Amino acid sequence: QSALTQPASVSGSPGQSITISCTGTSSDVGIYNLVSWYQQHPGKAPKLIIYEGSQRPSGVSNRFSGSKSGNTASLTISGLQTEDEADYYCCSYASSATSVVFGGGTKLTV
Amino acid sequence: QVQLMQSGAEVKKPGASVKVSCKASGYTFTSHGISWVRQAPGQGLEWMGYISPYTGYTYAQKFQGRVTMTTDTSTNTAYMELRSLRYDDTAIYYCARDFSAFDPWGQGTLVTVSS
Repeated sequence: QSALTQPASVSGSPGQSITISCTGTSSDVGIYNLVSWYQQHPGKAPKLIIYEGSQRPSGVSNRFSGSKSGNTASLTISGLQTEDEADYYCCSYASSATSVVFGGGTKLTV
Repeated sequence: QVQLMQSGAEVKKPGASVKVSCKASGYTFTSHGISWVRQAPGQGLEWMGYISPYTGYTYAQKFQGRVTMTTDTSTNTAYMELRSLRYDDTAIYYCARDFSAFDPWGQGTLVTVSS
């Protein structure tokens, strides 16, 4: 059981927008502005796409955006492209004994 | 460019230990720590712990007593040793530069625990 809750799967058509939620608690997502999101294609290492809740690293498409409300963070991908098909993981720092927690991952099908 | 290069795949017997290395290049090694994350086959990501050359280490509670993370600043290399290996330790082990997020990641090291 993962500490952060994500939907197991989402799907969308090319050009559409989708949102992936990431629900935590007041001990992780709710208290820190340190949520990050990672994209992982099959057989590849994860890639950072959002950090500090809504910041995009250099080189990441502006079709990816992040936000947070209370204990829930969200990743929105607009203008879906076939290459966006991948697994997506959220991550947050936590005040518990485990200092970092991941979501269980969401499989995006385009 | 910033890169993390990990050591090769390992096959270990139950009860043995494994030590994975992660060599950093393209940035000042001492300016950021390294986190270790593992991924069991078909499963999600699991944070194991963090090591910084100057501020020390933090291990996830699940691995305390079984994991040791170290760094060698002379070679810009981080190490993760996991002891008393069990079958369910079979996973890809990743290192990642840690600056409040993980970027970049190493290519991963497959550790297989098999008798």
